[in-house]
Amino acid sequence: TQLLEQSPQFLSIQEGENLTVYCNSSSVFSSLQWYRQEPGEGPVLLVTVVTGGEVKKLKRLTFQFGDARKDSSLHITAAQPGDTGLYLCAGASLPGGSEKLVFGKGTKLTVNP
Amino acid sequence: NAGVMQNPRHLVRRRGQEARLRCSPMKGHSHVYWYRQLPEEGLKFMVYLQKENIIDESGMPKERFSAEFPKEGPSILRIQQVVRGDSAAYFCASSPVLGNTIYFGEGSWLTVV
Repeated sequence: TQLLEQSPQFLSIQEGENLTVYCNSSSVFSSLQWYRQEPGEGPVLLVTVVTGGEVKKLKRLTFQFGDARKDSSLHITAAQPGDTGLYLCAGASLPGGSEKLVFGKGTKLTVNP
Repeated sequence: NAGVMQNPRHLVRRRGQEARLRCSPMKGHSHVYWYRQLPEEGLKFMVYLQKENIIDESGMPKERFSAEFPKEGPSILRIQQVVRGDSAAYFCASSPVLGNTIYFGEGSWLTVV
């Protein structure tokens, strides 16, 4: 059974600080996706990384896929209260196969003003 | 272009009753997926359907749960004789073709009392 471990589970920081969230597995994934979920809402896709070692930037968010495609990280620079939410990573096993994603339990981020 | 629409958003059922959750995929999407999010757990894949076909139901509990995606109308996830452990958020997602990005709906929150 493929598992994705996310750490930390909870993170509370002050506005302006930097943070990194990790997503680790012993399994290889063909792609890995990061989502953000607000309370009472569905997950919203932030990014998909496909190639080992790939780095993608989305404004203040930087996503990296490990060389072996087993792990990923999300780095947020100068966090803002609007970044507060649950960050989920999800892995796809098959090339292009997003239908059966394996999700981590998420990192609950709180950014205090 | 409307997103994935789920209803009801919130549903309360007594133990033993039936719950029906509906999902209308995004326009032009013929692939539908159902995921379940239990409290303090990550999202878990349940079933993947195309019009009139169940493609992969490996994540569905063996009893009481069924899903369909008829030629006309929304996809329906049906839970018979609900128990307290069925209380969860049920998310539907859709994609235009296999292997493409999937888009999640806002979820249906089922509470069994």
